[in-house]
Amino acid sequence: GQSLEQPSEVTAVEGAIVQINCTYQTSGFYGLSWYQQHDGGAPTFLSYNALDGLEETGRFSSFLSRSDSYGYLLLQELQMKDSASYFCAVRAGDNYGQNFVFGPGTRLSVLP
Amino acid sequence: DSGVTQTPKHLITATGQRVTLRCSPRSGDLSVYWYQQSLDQGLQFLIQYYNGEERAKGNILERFSAQQFPDLHSELNLSSLELGDSALYFCASSVSGSALRETQYFGPGTRLLVL
Repeated sequence: GQSLEQPSEVTAVEGAIVQINCTYQTSGFYGLSWYQQHDGGAPTFLSYNALDGLEETGRFSSFLSRSDSYGYLLLQELQMKDSASYFCAVRAGDNYGQNFVFGPGTRLSVLP
Repeated sequence: DSGVTQTPKHLITATGQRVTLRCSPRSGDLSVYWYQQSLDQGLQFLIQYYNGEERAKGNILERFSAQQFPDLHSELNLSSLELGDSALYFCASSVSGSALRETQYFGPGTRLLVL
């Protein structure tokens, strides 16, 4: 089977840096994605890592280690608007093409 | 606004009934994905279509079916509804569905309540 683990909640203050970890168990791994979802809203794509290393997009960075089945999302210069749920997701292969499995989500609360 | 539209926004129905959810992908996107999000199950991938053909299947119940039409819009049919089917149903689209760096754009969702 395929499973992902993330911390359920993270709290940080404005201007700080926070790291949200994700560990996964999959077969036929293709890559790790990160999505942001505000309460009542739809998921929004943040980043995708197919290869080991760090991908930077503005204040957000994402890291992947395929050998450790581990990744993280790094949010810098936190703003109040970053308060949301963050999901890691894997694009993995199975007996019927590719599948998309999402983690349980990490709720980030940014305090003033 | 992601460019993905879903109708209806809200749907209230009774157990045993059948409903159809509709999704129009972003202009130019060939792939459509359906997801179910509930409090206890999180975000679950249901099924993916690419240019009218089924591409991948996730945790979709046999009571559920979907299709993608020639104009690329998609419909998700839910039948013999149960209380546990109450959830937020998202549609997403992407350009091709097979590229490594594929971004999925999510629609606003349809909130289904089964009474």
